[in-house]
Amino acid sequence: ELKVEQNPLFLSMQEGKNYTIYCNYSTTSDRLYWYRQDPGKSLESLFVLLSNGAVKQEGRLMASLDTKARLSTLHITAAVHDLSATYFCAVDTVETSGSRLTFGEGTQLTVNP
Amino acid sequence: NAGVMQNPRHLVRRRGQEARLRCSPMKGHSHVYWYRQLPEEGLKFMVYLQKENIIDESGMPKERFSAEFPKEGPSILRIQQVVRGDSAAYFCASSPRGQTQYFGPGTRLLVL
Repeated sequence: ELKVEQNPLFLSMQEGKNYTIYCNYSTTSDRLYWYRQDPGKSLESLFVLLSNGAVKQEGRLMASLDTKARLSTLHITAAVHDLSATYFCAVDTVETSGSRLTFGEGTQLTVNP
Repeated sequence: NAGVMQNPRHLVRRRGQEARLRCSPMKGHSHVYWYRQLPEEGLKFMVYLQKENIIDESGMPKERFSAEFPKEGPSILRIQQVVRGDSAAYFCASSPRGQTQYFGPGTRLLVL
């Protein structure tokens, strides 16, 4: 059974600081996704990472993928309050490509002034 | 291009009643997925459908839950004889084949 683990699960940061969220998964993956969810809201797609070494950046967020280590990171640079949300990674596996996403538990990020 | 639409957004049911959740995929998307999110947890896959076909229902509870995606109209997730443990947010996602899934706003089900 595919397992996706994120850490930390809770992260409280000061504005202006940098931090990294980690996502480990247990089997070969076609794609890795990062989503953002605000309280009571739906999921917003942030990044899709397709291949080993892929790096994508949008604003203060940068995601990377190491398929050999089965690890993705979401790096936050100079955090601002608007980034406060829950961040999920999700894996789309080779065996079930196109049929399901397996999500991590989520990282609840709070950015304090 | 309208996004994935779900209704109702909030649904309150008493134990033993039926809940029907509807999902209209994005235009041009023929693949629909249902996920459930329990409070303070991540999303768990339930079922994957194409028009008139259930492709993967391995995440569906064996009893009381069913899903369909008819040739015309929205996809329906049906929960019969609801219990308190069914209280959750139910998200629908759609995609073209093998591509990024886009999520709807969710239906928050509360069972009293």
